[in-house]
Amino acid sequence: GIQVEQSPPDLILQEGANSTLRCNFSDSVNNLQWFHQNPWGQLINLFYIPSGTKQNGRLSATTVATERYSLLYISSSQTTDSGVYFCAVAGVEAAGNKLTFGGGTRVLVKP
Amino acid sequence: EAGVAQSPRYKIIEKRQSVAFWCNPISGHATLYWYQQILGQGPKLLIQFQNNGVVDDSQLPKDRFSAERLKGVDSTLKIQPAKLEDSAVYLCASSLQGFGAFFGQGTRLTVV
Repeated sequence: GIQVEQSPPDLILQEGANSTLRCNFSDSVNNLQWFHQNPWGQLINLFYIPSGTKQNGRLSATTVATERYSLLYISSSQTTDSGVYFCAVAGVEAAGNKLTFGGGTRVLVKP
Repeated sequence: EAGVAQSPRYKIIEKRQSVAFWCNPISGHATLYWYQQILGQGPKLLIQFQNNGVVDDSQLPKDRFSAERLKGVDSTLKIQPAKLEDSAVYLCASSLQGFGAFFGQGTRLTVV
């Protein structure tokens, strides 16, 4: 099946700093999503982005499908950005849009 | 629009007991997923339904886990008998073709 790798595994930021999270995948995809898992365990949708660039407030994401990677940008980070960020993909060969998750990037934003 | 509903939120059981989780997806979403998330790891797909048919259950431990989706809407996931290694968060999600998946709050299971 498709492999998903996220980097870095851990990230410590000072409030106000910018950061970039990366997601590499091993095959062509027809679905890619970024999620934020908050300290209570809820997975919050950030972006549905199988290709192209999207922005939502301080967050933006870019997927370069031909090169099999996606980037999540966090600008002017806040303590509420802390948590784990997951990338999940569905390979074009996967039946029924099956989502495979990466291992996540654990982000801690210090005040 | 109501989100994905799951119950219970927390459950503690002894090993070898049975447990069931319930999920109500977003209205109109044909695809329903059950994921298992062990502490410190990413979610792992257990089973995926399209309406009331199973699309993928390749990682479901079928000797102890079972799932059904009644009338293509609600779903239940059962574990019988539970083992210590089943301690995890069980996440339900639903999606519409061409759009992203949305997750419920999860059920945190502790097996003692």
